[in-house]
Amino acid sequence: DAKTTQPNSMESNEEEPVHLPCNHSTISGTDYIHWYRQLPSQGPEYVIHGLTSNVNNRMASLAIAEDRKSSTLILHRATLRDAAVYYCILRGRTQGGSEKLVFGKGTKLTVNP
Amino acid sequence: GAGVSQSPSNKVTEKGKDVELRCDPISGHTALYWYRQRLGQGLEFLIYFQGNSAPDKSGLPSDRFSAERTGESVSTLTIQRTQQEDSAVYLCASSTAGTEGSYEQFFGPGTRLTV
Repeated sequence: DAKTTQPNSMESNEEEPVHLPCNHSTISGTDYIHWYRQLPSQGPEYVIHGLTSNVNNRMASLAIAEDRKSSTLILHRATLRDAAVYYCILRGRTQGGSEKLVFGKGTKLTVNP
Repeated sequence: GAGVSQSPSNKVTEKGKDVELRCDPISGHTALYWYRQRLGQGLEFLIYFQGNSAPDKSGLPSDRFSAERTGESVSTLTIQRTQQEDSAVYLCASSTAGTEGSYEQFFGPGTRLTV
């Protein structure tokens, strides 16, 4: 499975934008880039995903490099509720052709009031 | 509608005992996944069910681990002869799934297992 590299931690101030980077230099042409986040003591929740073009939804924006070897999750105005571990994941397949998610350690985002 | 539910939320057991964890996926979701998360770590994939196909068991760490799913509904993860290293949060997720890699997974709150 192609792997992703993220900083261990980042810090932001409330109501400021946050840019969370992810490197995935070994991405294959059919891999989707997914972002999930995990709030303390909860299961992960989906944030956003994309393939080649930049994507926007109510939670965040995803900027994908032209060569697809890196991407950036953008939170436009961080709130205290955005404090979580953010996982950048390539949607891979096992040998059986299934849709498992391969999680790294993610980036722990701290939001300061 | 209801999300993914798991039971029990917490389970404390003794080394060597068997445990059974339950997952109720979102109605209509054909795919179901089990993951394990050790303290301070990321998630490890365990097993994947898709419809009536044979499950993908490639992530199960040993033959003490097994899982079943009845049709497209409830799944149970069984750990036999539990060991201390089995202590973790066990997370279940479901999705509408497909083969394109674009479907999101919806996670349950997890079962915290302490051996």
